[in-house]
Amino acid sequence: NAGVTQTPKFRVLKTGQSMTLLCAQDMNHEYMYWYRQDPGMGLRLIHYSVGEGTTAKGEVPDGYNVSRLKKQNFLLGLESAAPSQTSVYFCASSVLRDHTGELFFGEGSRLTVL
Amino acid sequence: GQNIDQPTEMTATEGAIVQINCTYQTSGFNGLFWYQQHAGEAPTFLSYNVLDGLEEKGRFSSFLSRSKGYSYLLLKELQMKDSASYLCAVSDSNYQLIWGAGTKLIIKP
Repeated sequence: NAGVTQTPKFRVLKTGQSMTLLCAQDMNHEYMYWYRQDPGMGLRLIHYSVGEGTTAKGEVPDGYNVSRLKKQNFLLGLESAAPSQTSVYFCASSVLRDHTGELFFGEGSRLTVL
Repeated sequence: GQNIDQPTEMTATEGAIVQINCTYQTSGFNGLFWYQQHAGEAPTFLSYNVLDGLEEKGRFSSFLSRSKGYSYLLLKELQMKDSASYLCAVSDSNYQLIWGAGTKLIIKP
């Protein structure tokens, strides 16, 4: 029972490099989210998706892009990484819309930008 | 602005009871969540309150007072495995989740 799986778990980038984080869920959830978690701060929503082929901006979308070509996958891209993007990234999914139900989180991806 | 306040860190003794408070100021309210997050791991869902009162789930209970903008998570019969951060999050009028920074709970033998 995999739930929500993120790859890679760890990555070190140099400023200006690009990368993609992959999130896959096997629960047939419509709603998927990308969050970042920084010390001393609450989780912040980057982008989210309410279904296959749809994406929307969250609280801190600048510098990130996303795609949801398949229902089970939600990709987060960094086009030109910056040190301010050093963070732990969590993908989550939910069966209920509008944050009225439980979020299921992946294990996190720790990204360091030098 | 919207704000969630919870203590940064708390310490309690194994076998005891601890109450973690959360106060919020948000534009509207559509429910309050508590999540548990062990160090280096993903948050996991503990509870959801949308009406005033106490919800009990085994050793964990969550209380909500909408008029006071206040919630608490009560952990009974503390075990070492309860050492974790506890995250409070509120769904606002636009159903966006506003997260607190979390309370790190340290359990001592």
